[in-house]
Amino acid sequence: DAGITQSPRHKVTETGTPVTLRCHQTENHRYMYWYRQDPGHGLRLIHYSYGVKDTDKGEVSDGYSVSRSKTEDFLLTLESATSSQTSVYFCAISPVLETGGHYGYTFGSGTRLTVV
Amino acid sequence: QQPVQSPQAVILREGEDAVINCSSSKALYSVHWYRQKHGEAPVFLMILLKGGEQKGHDKISASFNEKKQQSSLYLTASQLSYSGTYFCGAEASTGNQFYFGTGTSLTVIP
Repeated sequence: DAGITQSPRHKVTETGTPVTLRCHQTENHRYMYWYRQDPGHGLRLIHYSYGVKDTDKGEVSDGYSVSRSKTEDFLLTLESATSSQTSVYFCAISPVLETGGHYGYTFGSGTRLTVV
Repeated sequence: QQPVQSPQAVILREGEDAVINCSSSKALYSVHWYRQKHGEAPVFLMILLKGGEQKGHDKISASFNEKKQQSSLYLTASQLSYSGTYFCGAEASTGNQFYFGTGTSLTVIP
């Protein structure tokens, strides 16, 4: 009943390799987000999307790219993984309020990525 | 820009009450509250829109003072299941910016 799924759940990769994380939603929400969570930093926004092919950067976007070719799928790519990108990555979706703000986020289960 | 939460950590005995505060430097449109258990994703608890409303969710309620750009989460008669890290999320009145707070670790012991 999650409405949002992420894959993979865990991944270990080598420095310098490209990595793609996938997020899939069944809620038909316009807005989708990628966050990373690190001890001492909380949740930080990497990129977000407000529609098919419409994306924008968050506060920690360097080294990451995203794509959204369908409403339901939002991909996060680490072009050349570095050890500093070892983190837990969460995808999230949110409906938009009639007043224009965002209702509560629903998060995916997360991807634990380790770059060695 | 990240909202500041206090306290950073709190330990309670079952049945005790707690208050978690969230303070922003920006004018806010809304405040969200989330709870995250260890190894799991954050779960949305409630949203408060500007207007100073107070909302409730079982024995967990919250208030939002938009003039002070502050929100407080109130946990009453705490249960073991309340343990986790609580995050506020603040949406600015302009610019569509949304930031999560620094987090508060709450542990309820028997």
